[in-house]
Amino acid sequence: AQSVTQLDSQVPVFEEAPVELRCNYSSSVSVYLFWYVQYPNQGLQLLLKYLSGSTLVKGINGFEAEFNKSQTSFHLRKPSVHISDTAEYFCAVSNLNSWGKLQFGAGTQVVVTP
Amino acid sequence: GAVVSQHPSRVICKSGTSVKIECRSLDFQATTMFWYRQFPKKSLMLMATSNEGSKATYEQGVEKDKFLINHASLTLSTLTVTSAHPEDSSFYICSATPRPRGGTDTQYFGPGTRLTVL
Repeated sequence: AQSVTQLDSQVPVFEEAPVELRCNYSSSVSVYLFWYVQYPNQGLQLLLKYLSGSTLVKGINGFEAEFNKSQTSFHLRKPSVHISDTAEYFCAVSNLNSWGKLQFGAGTQVVVTP
Repeated sequence: GAVVSQHPSRVICKSGTSVKIECRSLDFQATTMFWYRQFPKKSLMLMATSNEGSKATYEQGVEKDKFLINHASLTLSTLTVTSAHPEDSSFYICSATPRPRGGTDTQYFGPGTRLTVL
């Protein structure tokens, strides 16, 4: 069994400030890790994913995430946010033995204000 | 990028009726499609895995007789909510995975279907 915990349900942040969204997971086997973004009234869009290799993963729109195996974390960061980054962000994991079946965290609502 | 569409985008129906939701991969062939349910201000919950040409695999607690899934072609999967009741009201999202190309592939998500059962 595996689970995903997003510690913050909502993160308010000022425009041009940095933001970090926390994600921790638990799994008895190796996993793939993902961050998705859901803009209002839209479907989920992949921001980035970690499959193997370098633990620092760069994604679209200036986002990056770092996989930390010892801390079982995959935190998402952006050094300077824009108003357009206001959205719901989901961390997800999939099990190597049943790849494709995503387990999602509860989501973090990011609200960027001027 | 790969595009997945869903139809309809929103539907309102009376209790006891059945509703069909379509999920299409527009520019790629999808061997596998997934159906999720998203409650308000909640995460996505995987309902079932739909494989082309075979029966869907349902997650624990999901009634397969209530949520009928058909994956008739490599570009189309349908979810039929049978005898819908108000508690079935939710946001249903599908995702599709292209044919494996020697490695792991990304899931591409549809925009979702808002179902309201009166």
